[in-house]
Amino acid sequence: QVTLRESGPALVKPTQTLTLTCTFSGFSLSTSGMSVSWIRQPPGKALEWLARIDWDDAKYFSTSLGTRLSISKDTSKNHVVLTLTNMDPVDTATYYCARAAVTVLDYWGQGALVTVSS
Amino acid sequence: DIQMTQSPSSLSASVGDRVTISCRASHSISTYLHWFQQKPGKAPKLLIYAASSLQSGVPSRFSGNGSGTDFTLTITSLQPEDFATYYCQQAYSTPRTFGQGTKVEIK
Repeated sequence: QVTLRESGPALVKPTQTLTLTCTFSGFSLSTSGMSVSWIRQPPGKALEWLARIDWDDAKYFSTSLGTRLSISKDTSKNHVVLTLTNMDPVDTATYYCARAAVTVLDYWGQGALVTVSS
Repeated sequence: DIQMTQSPSSLSASVGDRVTISCRASHSISTYLHWFQQKPGKAPKLLIYAASSLQSGVPSRFSGNGSGTDFTLTITSLQPEDFATYYCQQAYSTPRTFGQGTKVEIK
């Protein structure tokens, strides 16, 4: 059974760095073709794809946020970590992690709401 | 980046209606197009992958069609549990991009 769960702070201050962890089970990020992506959704708005890390450690980022984002994995712990620097109130959103087998985001975490406020 | 444009942004329909949602890509994406359903407060759920393949467990009243730049999601005989927001997503190139969503509401 594949599961993913996001964890991290619910509240961050402007200019701080957000660190979110995706803890997963039921698959291995060492398996060819597997990847984990991060997607966010501001309240009442559409989904926005942020970043992806592949089984071979290839990394891809949103064009608009690329310089602020980093992503890493710990295969032994089944973790993927996303960091987003210089947080702003417009970054308030629910952040999801999701697994992709090849290209399809087939399993998602429940999401973590992050609010940016002083 | 490939831009994904959905239409309409919202629609009102009755139980039993046939509903069609369109998604257009700014560049050809072959059939690298997936559809998701999202209900309030929940994570998106995969409905259709590769433009027309039904995800396991998804009712057969959902179907997808298209290739290149133009795609459709059709729900035949809308059910009460189908009232939700639907998103298309291209998986042809990175960064991946989503449409802006189509909210299906009860008439």
